Amino acid sequence: EVQVVESGGGLVQPGGSLRLSCTASEFTFSLFWMTWVRQAPGKGLEWVATLNQDGSAKYYVDSVTGRFTISRDNTKNSLFLQMNTLRVEDTAVYYCTRGGAYSRLWGQGTLVTVSS
Amino acid sequence: AIQLTQSPSSLSASVGDRVTITCRASQGISSALAWYQQKPGKAPKLLIYDVSTLESGVPSRFSGSGSGTDFTLTISSLQPEDFASYYCHQFKSFPRTFGQGTNVEIK
Repeated sequence: EVQVVESGGGLVQPGGSLRLSCTASEFTFSLFWMTWVRQAPGKGLEWVATLNQDGSAKYYVDSVTGRFTISRDNTKNSLFLQMNTLRVEDTAVYYCTRGGAYSRLWGQGTLVTVSS
Repeated sequence: AIQLTQSPSSLSASVGDRVTITCRASQGISSALAWYQQKPGKAPKLLIYDVSTLESGVPSRFSGSGSGTDFTLTISSLQPEDFASYYCHQFKSFPRTFGQGTNVEIK
């Protein structure tokens, strides 16, 4: 089945770090741009970051620039989001999506809770 | 950043109603607009891309239109499974942005 599956979410204290992973199955991962989108509890969707096929072009929403790093390992069909200096307002479900424009393939999401 | 303003933020409608949701961009985005549907606890689902292209498998009661800065999602005859939240999304430039969402509720 063509899918992406996120992992790595959890509870972390403000100022802490977390690394999210997304594993792709049944499609040629290295051919696609990939994106992270998040959704705070009860709120709307927020685009977080996107990178291109070889990881040479990366784009971030202003609120995470300098704190989050998107990366990928095409040999392992995996996408990552390294999140440092986490804030309470980073609490959200984080979705991995395929594509750099619109996305027709989304994961089920992984919940990140930043709280003391 | 390009801002997307959706209206209304919520609406109540009955099965069979025609529903229209609008999305206004703060600057021109050509045809780089998509619409998503999201149900509680689920990932968003792509409905329409490039303003008016229906994603495969999406019922034909959904349609999109517009150009430049003003766009519309229309559900011609609301069905029980259509009660959900809807988001517009621009991919003209980075940072990508979403509208704030429209919650479609049962009347």
